[in-house]
Amino acid sequence: KQEVTQIPAALSVPEGENLVLNCSFTDSAIYNLQWFRQDPGKGLTSLLLIQSSQREQTSGRLNASLDKSSGRSTLYIAASQPGDSATYLCAAPSGGANNLFFGTGTRLTVIP
Amino acid sequence: GAVVSQHPSWVICKSGTSVKIECRSLDFQATTMFWYRQFPKQSLMLMATSNEGSKATYEQGVEKDKFLINHASLTLSTLTVTSAHPEDSSFYICSARSFTSGNEQYFGPGTRLTVT
Repeated sequence: KQEVTQIPAALSVPEGENLVLNCSFTDSAIYNLQWFRQDPGKGLTSLLLIQSSQREQTSGRLNASLDKSSGRSTLYIAASQPGDSATYLCAAPSGGANNLFFGTGTRLTVIP
Repeated sequence: GAVVSQHPSWVICKSGTSVKIECRSLDFQATTMFWYRQFPKQSLMLMATSNEGSKATYEQGVEKDKFLINHASLTLSTLTVTSAHPEDSSFYICSARSFTSGNEQYFGPGTRLTVT
């Protein structure tokens, strides 16, 4: 069974800083990995989907990397803004299974 | 494209009653739908996977007789919480996948259930 861990659990940074969120997973036989954003009391917003054949994906100020061999993924956020404040979740399937296993998230606060 | 809706967005019910939550794929056919539950300050946990026209597959520890899942069409899945109790209070989120979406799942906005 896939286990997904996210470090740190919480992060507070001043506006404008670049930051990195970390995600590790135990079962490296994945075909993709997704990063999501969740605002308090809300559903999930998909940020980036990295296929297993890719090493990274970029969307605006976000860049996600994937290293299957080491079981790690990182989400890089450039020039952080207060509107980036949210919980960031990474999720990976288990082997060939369809369902996603989620980490516990990193709660990000960007201070104006 | 790839929009998933849930209804209701929040519901309050009394202990012992049943509650139905709908999950709809608005602009695509969802061959597979997933139901997740999220307790406060915790991450999402998969409850069950349903394929259109067949019985749902439940994760270990999830009571299939308590959480009834129906996926009768390619655009609708329902989760019915039967004889709800306060410990069933949670945030329920569905996701959907289609043949053309490959491995990507599209998530609904969630339903907040409070059982009093």
